[in-house]
Amino acid sequence: GAVVSQHPSWVICKSGTSVKIECRSLDFQATTMFWYRQFPKQSLMLMATSNEGSKATYEQGVEKDKFLINHASLTLSTLTVTSAHPEDSSFYICSPLRLYEQYFGPGTRLTVT
Amino acid sequence: AQKVTQAQTEISVVEKEDVTLDCVYETRDTTYYLFWYKQPPSGELVFLIRRNSFDEQNEISGRYSWNFQKSTSSFNFTITASQVVDSAVYFCALSEANTGFQKLVFGTGTRLLVSP
Repeated sequence: GAVVSQHPSWVICKSGTSVKIECRSLDFQATTMFWYRQFPKQSLMLMATSNEGSKATYEQGVEKDKFLINHASLTLSTLTVTSAHPEDSSFYICSPLRLYEQYFGPGTRLTVT
Repeated sequence: AQKVTQAQTEISVVEKEDVTLDCVYETRDTTYYLFWYKQPPSGELVFLIRRNSFDEQNEISGRYSWNFQKSTSSFNFTITASQVVDSAVYFCALSEANTGFQKLVFGTGTRLLVSP
């Protein structure tokens, strides 16, 4: 159990465009979703926490208008990187919470050219 | 404030050697969980272990073992008879009761390279 999928697994986009990343918990429902960002050879940094049906809470330094999070259902959350720039190139990982335990998606590698 | 330190940035060993990855944590909470994750080159995090603050018993799982010492705030991870497939980045992480165990703080990770 506790299968998490992310789509796409990798994406290349041009600077100024927007990219949507989907995260699905396939066999459980998650009221809380965490989104992490990981730059090359660095650790995972929490970007935001969202609860189903509520607005996300962003960590300090993360622009809420740039990283739009939607958690409309208990099995789907999306992260949209708006007006992407090369410095947004990173590995994005979602993490749904299930019974006080976080599970991790396989990640989405975003490259902005 | 909670903090996790993994002082070893990168470790290189030859296959069959034993290797210990260090993890030191800081927390003011008396109730917390400690974790180890493996991140192979594919990027997907693999859960290895979770230990709560009240259980200092060491754990062994196959070639993996963990040594939790509250006196030194350490939660070290040992791989016995390392194999090439163990090559990955390993993260130690902490979550505290005062965040409802909802905030995982990760260390900076240790990259383990096991050569044949």
